[in-house]
Amino acid sequence: EADIYQTPRYLVIGTGKKITLECSQTMGHDKMYWYQQDPGMELHLIHYSYGVNSTEKGDLSSESTVSRIRTEHFPLTLESARPSHTSQYLCASRNSGTGAEAFFGQGTRLTVV
Amino acid sequence: GQQVMQIPQYQHVQEGEDFTTYCNSSTTLSNIQWYKQRPGGHPVFLIQLVKSGEVKKQKRLTFQFGEAKKNSSLHITATQTTDVGTYFCASNLGTDKLIFGTGTRLQVFP
Repeated sequence: EADIYQTPRYLVIGTGKKITLECSQTMGHDKMYWYQQDPGMELHLIHYSYGVNSTEKGDLSSESTVSRIRTEHFPLTLESARPSHTSQYLCASRNSGTGAEAFFGQGTRLTVV
Repeated sequence: GQQVMQIPQYQHVQEGEDFTTYCNSSTTLSNIQWYKQRPGGHPVFLIQLVKSGEVKKQKRLTFQFGEAKKNSSLHITATQTTDVGTYFCASNLGTDKLIFGTGTRLQVFP
């Protein structure tokens, strides 16, 4: 069983609110990722990190921001939530090395009303 | 950005029929990984292929990496209802990114 956790699992929030989605892993993985996925659709990479104090934007433009102050923690923040942000957000981590498999958290289903 | 395309997008089969999904890239891939996502779940790693022309099997699942390392396939023999889900290929495309294919959703009717 993978040791990567996301909270909350479900979140309904009003437009304009600031929110932070939490992601933590206890496997000591250097690389961490945030994906956005609408139901039944593809996974879009929005942010990734290859170590502490390193973050990069992914291929899908996102208004969210991330930080990586500790190896195990990779939170995602939306300063002002909008209905267009409604989606599932999946966090993943993996070891360094080209072929390392990715472990996913359970995801956060965000609804902005 | 670089894309990894999968076909078909959807596949409905009768239980016992075979199923194949194809993953295609316009650029050479250093490796290819395959994941399965059950409905309502998160992606779970199945396997990785690295070598040109590599073939790997897991029970009823056969994975293949193309000779040019630009395409891959996943074949399921005699599908079961437990095979239902979306199958994604993924590759790091030579960077720290891990990019997923567009996915193939498999539905199996009993």
